[in-house]
Amino acid sequence: GENVEQHPSTLSVQEGDSAVIKCTYSDSASNYFPWYKQELGKRPQLIIDIRSNVGEKKDQRIAVTLNKTAKHFSLHITETQPEDSAVYFCAARYFVGGSQGNLIFGKGTKLSVKP
Amino acid sequence: EAGVAQSPRYKIIEKRQSVAFWCNPISGHATLYWYQQILGQGPKLLIQFQNNGVVDDSQLPKDRFSAERLKGVDSTLKIQPAKLEDSAVYLCASSPHGGQPQHFGDGTRLSIL
Repeated sequence: GENVEQHPSTLSVQEGDSAVIKCTYSDSASNYFPWYKQELGKRPQLIIDIRSNVGEKKDQRIAVTLNKTAKHFSLHITETQPEDSAVYFCAARYFVGGSQGNLIFGKGTKLSVKP
Repeated sequence: EAGVAQSPRYKIIEKRQSVAFWCNPISGHATLYWYQQILGQGPKLLIQFQNNGVVDDSQLPKDRFSAERLKGVDSTLKIQPAKLEDSAVYLCASSPHGGQPQHFGDGTRLSIL
Protein backbone atom coordinates (compact mmCIF):
# COMPACT_ATOMS: atom_id res chain seq x y z
CA GLY A 1 0.00 0.00 0.00
CA GLU A 2 0.92 3.65 0.03
CA ASN A 3 3.64 4.63 2.45
CA VAL A 4 5.46 7.68 3.81
CA GLU A 5 8.86 7.18 5.40
CA GLN A 6 10.15 9.89 7.74
CA HIS A 7 13.70 10.37 9.07
CA PRO A 8 15.14 10.86 11.58
CA SER A 9 12.82 9.68 14.33
CA THR A 10 14.58 11.94 16.84
CA LEU A 11 16.66 15.05 16.29
CA SER A 12 18.48 17.15 18.85
CA VAL A 13 20.00 20.52 17.94
CA GLN A 14 21.44 23.53 19.73
CA GLU A 15 19.43 26.72 19.77
CA GLY A 16 20.24 28.75 16.69
CA ASP A 17 21.23 25.76 14.58
CA SER A 18 19.23 24.46 11.62
CA ALA A 19 17.11 21.30 11.60
CA VAL A 20 16.21 19.19 8.57
CA ILE A 21 13.60 16.42 8.46
CA LYS A 22 13.19 14.25 5.37
CA CYS A 23 10.29 12.22 4.01
CA THR A 24 9.85 9.91 1.06
CA TYR A 25 6.56 8.82 -0.46
CA SER A 26 5.54 5.94 -2.68
CA ASP A 27 2.55 7.20 -4.70
CA SER A 28 3.80 9.08 -7.75
CA ALA A 29 0.32 10.63 -8.09
CA SER A 30 0.64 12.41 -4.74
CA ASN A 31 0.33 16.16 -5.27
CA TYR A 32 0.04 17.73 -1.81
CA PHE A 33 2.50 17.54 1.09
CA PRO A 34 1.68 19.20 4.43
CA TRP A 35 3.79 19.35 7.58
CA TYR A 36 2.25 19.31 11.04
CA LYS A 37 3.74 20.26 14.41
CA GLN A 38 2.38 18.49 17.48
CA GLU A 39 3.33 19.58 20.97
CA LEU A 40 2.88 17.13 23.82
CA GLY A 41 -0.80 16.49 24.48
CA LYS A 42 -1.94 18.99 21.86
CA ARG A 43 -3.48 18.89 18.43
CA PRO A 44 -1.40 18.60 15.25
CA GLN A 45 -1.05 22.07 13.74
CA LEU A 46 -0.44 22.73 10.07
CA ILE A 47 2.78 24.75 9.77
CA ILE A 48 3.49 24.67 6.06
CA ASP A 49 2.43 22.77 2.96
CA ILE A 50 3.56 22.44 -0.64
CA ARG A 51 1.89 21.34 -3.84
CA SER A 52 3.55 19.36 -6.57
CA ASN A 53 3.73 22.27 -9.02
CA VAL A 54 6.18 24.07 -6.71
CA GLY A 55 9.71 23.03 -5.79
CA GLU A 56 10.18 25.14 -2.67
CA LYS A 57 8.12 27.24 -0.28
CA LYS A 58 9.26 29.45 2.60
CA ASP A 59 7.51 31.00 5.57
CA GLN A 60 9.87 32.95 7.82
CA ARG A 61 12.18 30.39 9.47
CA ILE A 62 10.46 27.39 7.90
CA ALA A 63 10.91 26.06 4.38
CA VAL A 64 9.86 22.95 2.52
CA THR A 65 11.48 21.52 -0.59
CA LEU A 66 10.04 18.91 -2.93
CA ASN A 67 11.81 16.61 -5.39
CA LYS A 68 9.09 14.90 -7.43
CA THR A 69 11.50 12.78 -9.43
CA ALA A 70 13.03 11.26 -6.32
CA LYS A 71 9.67 11.34 -4.47
CA HIS A 72 11.01 13.03 -1.40
CA PHE A 73 10.36 16.28 0.44
CA SER A 74 12.07 17.97 3.37
CA LEU A 75 11.31 20.43 6.15
CA HIS A 76 14.00 22.98 6.99
CA ILE A 77 13.90 25.05 10.18
CA THR A 78 16.54 27.75 10.54
CA GLU A 79 17.62 29.60 13.68
CA THR A 80 15.88 27.05 15.87
CA GLN A 81 14.38 28.16 19.18
CA PRO A 82 13.36 26.12 22.25
CA GLU A 83 9.70 26.62 21.34
CA ASP A 84 10.33 24.69 18.12
CA SER A 85 10.67 21.55 20.27
CA ALA A 86 7.82 19.22 19.29
CA VAL A 87 7.00 16.20 17.13
CA TYR A 88 6.82 17.01 13.43
CA PHE A 89 4.79 14.90 10.99
CA CYS A 90 5.00 14.93 7.24
CA ALA A 91 2.13 13.69 5.10
CA ALA A 92 1.38 12.99 1.48
CA ARG A 93 -1.97 12.92 -0.23
CA TYR A 94 -2.77 9.65 -1.94
CA PHE A 95 -5.70 8.75 -4.13
CA VAL A 96 -8.14 5.87 -3.73
CA GLY A 97 -10.18 5.22 -6.83
CA GLY A 98 -11.63 8.52 -8.03
CA SER A 99 -11.52 10.21 -4.63
CA GLN A 100 -10.06 13.64 -3.93
CA GLY A 101 -7.36 11.94 -1.92
CA ASN A 102 -6.54 11.49 1.72
CA LEU A 103 -3.44 12.01 3.81
CA ILE A 104 -1.02 9.32 4.88
CA PHE A 105 1.32 10.43 7.63
CA GLY A 106 4.90 9.62 8.47
CA LYS A 107 5.75 8.29 11.93
CA GLY A 108 7.01 11.62 13.18
CA THR A 109 10.28 13.26 14.22
CA LYS A 110 10.78 14.38 17.79
CA LEU A 111 12.79 17.60 17.62
CA SER A 112 14.53 18.85 20.76
CA VAL A 113 16.12 22.30 20.72
CA LYS A 114 18.58 22.77 23.56
CA PRO A 115 19.06 26.30 24.91
CA GLU B 1 -12.82 31.41 13.98
CA ALA B 2 -13.56 28.61 16.41
CA GLY B 3 -11.53 25.46 15.90
CA VAL B 4 -12.57 21.82 15.74
CA ALA B 5 -14.21 20.83 19.03
CA GLN B 6 -14.01 17.32 20.45
CA SER B 7 -15.30 15.67 23.59
CA PRO B 8 -14.54 14.09 25.89
CA ARG B 9 -10.81 14.86 26.22
CA TYR B 10 -10.12 11.66 28.13
CA LYS B 11 -11.93 8.35 28.49
CA ILE B 12 -11.01 5.23 30.41
CA ILE B 13 -13.03 2.06 29.90
CA GLU B 14 -12.60 -1.67 30.31
CA LYS B 15 -12.20 -3.97 27.34
CA ARG B 16 -15.44 -5.13 25.76
CA GLN B 17 -17.23 -1.95 26.86
CA SER B 18 -18.49 0.61 24.36
CA VAL B 19 -17.47 4.25 23.97
CA ALA B 20 -18.48 7.20 21.82
CA PHE B 21 -16.65 10.35 20.78
CA TRP B 22 -18.13 13.58 19.49
CA CYS B 23 -16.77 16.12 17.02
CA ASN B 24 -17.97 19.54 15.91
CA PRO B 25 -16.02 20.78 12.87
CA ILE B 26 -15.13 24.33 11.93
CA SER B 27 -18.24 26.15 10.76
CA GLY B 28 -18.81 25.72 7.05
CA HIS B 29 -16.37 22.87 6.61
CA ALA B 30 -17.99 20.21 4.45
CA THR B 31 -15.36 17.52 4.96
CA LEU B 32 -14.79 15.76 8.26
CA TYR B 33 -12.18 13.15 9.12
CA TRP B 34 -11.63 10.76 12.03
CA TYR B 35 -8.09 9.61 12.72
CA GLN B 36 -6.57 7.15 15.16
CA GLN B 37 -3.16 8.10 16.58
CA ILE B 38 -1.37 5.35 18.47
CA LEU B 39 1.42 6.49 20.78
CA GLY B 40 4.59 7.19 18.84
CA GLN B 41 2.93 7.07 15.42
CA GLY B 42 1.36 9.45 12.96
CA PRO B 43 -2.40 9.81 12.60
CA LYS B 44 -4.11 7.07 10.60
CA LEU B 45 -7.33 7.86 8.75
CA LEU B 46 -10.36 5.87 9.86
CA ILE B 47 -13.15 7.57 7.91
CA GLN B 48 -13.84 10.64 5.79
CA PHE B 49 -17.22 12.33 5.37
CA GLN B 50 -18.22 14.82 2.70
CA ASN B 51 -21.30 16.53 4.19
CA ASN B 52 -23.29 13.55 5.53
CA GLY B 53 -21.93 10.98 3.06
CA VAL B 54 -19.00 8.60 3.55
CA VAL B 55 -16.16 9.17 1.07
CA ASP B 56 -13.60 6.70 2.42
CA ASP B 57 -13.96 4.17 5.24
CA SER B 58 -11.54 1.59 3.88
CA GLN B 59 -9.46 1.56 7.08
CA LEU B 60 -12.33 1.55 9.55
CA PRO B 61 -12.63 -1.78 11.43
CA LYS B 62 -16.31 -2.09 10.71
CA ASP B 63 -16.87 -5.07 12.98
CA ARG B 64 -16.41 -2.80 15.99
CA PHE B 65 -16.16 0.83 14.81
CA SER B 66 -18.98 2.93 13.44
CA ALA B 67 -19.34 6.62 12.64
CA GLU B 68 -22.09 8.92 11.51
CA ARG B 69 -22.62 12.51 10.49
CA LEU B 70 -26.38 12.63 10.14
CA LYS B 71 -26.95 16.35 9.49
CA GLY B 72 -23.66 17.04 7.79
CA VAL B 73 -22.22 18.96 10.76
CA ASP B 74 -21.43 17.12 14.03
CA SER B 75 -20.12 13.59 13.97
CA THR B 76 -19.86 10.70 16.40
CA LEU B 77 -17.43 7.79 16.36
CA LYS B 78 -18.32 4.66 18.33
CA ILE B 79 -16.36 1.61 19.35
CA GLN B 80 -18.25 -1.49 20.46
CA PRO B 81 -16.80 -3.64 21.91
CA ALA B 82 -13.45 -2.06 22.71
CA LYS B 83 -10.20 -4.02 22.59
CA LEU B 84 -6.90 -3.28 24.32
CA GLU B 85 -5.32 -2.30 20.99
CA ASP B 86 -7.88 0.51 20.60
CA SER B 87 -5.98 2.55 23.19
CA ALA B 88 -5.03 5.68 21.26
CA VAL B 89 -5.86 9.32 20.69
CA TYR B 90 -8.85 9.78 18.37
CA LEU B 91 -8.50 12.96 16.36
CA CYS B 92 -11.16 14.72 14.37
CA ALA B 93 -10.21 17.08 11.56
CA SER B 94 -12.14 19.18 9.08
CA SER B 95 -11.51 21.03 5.83
CA PRO B 96 -13.63 23.29 3.63
CA HIS B 97 -13.71 20.56 0.98
CA GLY B 98 -11.85 17.32 0.35
CA GLY B 99 -8.26 17.88 -0.68
CA GLN B 100 -7.93 21.20 1.15
CA PRO B 101 -5.80 21.74 4.30
CA GLN B 102 -7.10 19.86 7.32
CA HIS B 103 -7.43 21.38 10.77
CA PHE B 104 -7.38 19.10 13.79
CA GLY B 105 -9.16 19.08 17.12
CA ASP B 106 -7.43 18.35 20.43
CA GLY B 107 -8.48 14.69 20.31
CA THR B 108 -9.88 12.20 22.79
CA ARG B 109 -7.33 10.07 24.63
CA LEU B 110 -8.82 6.60 25.09
CA SER B 111 -7.36 4.13 27.56
CA ILE B 112 -8.59 0.53 27.64
CA LEU B 113 -8.05 -1.42 30.85
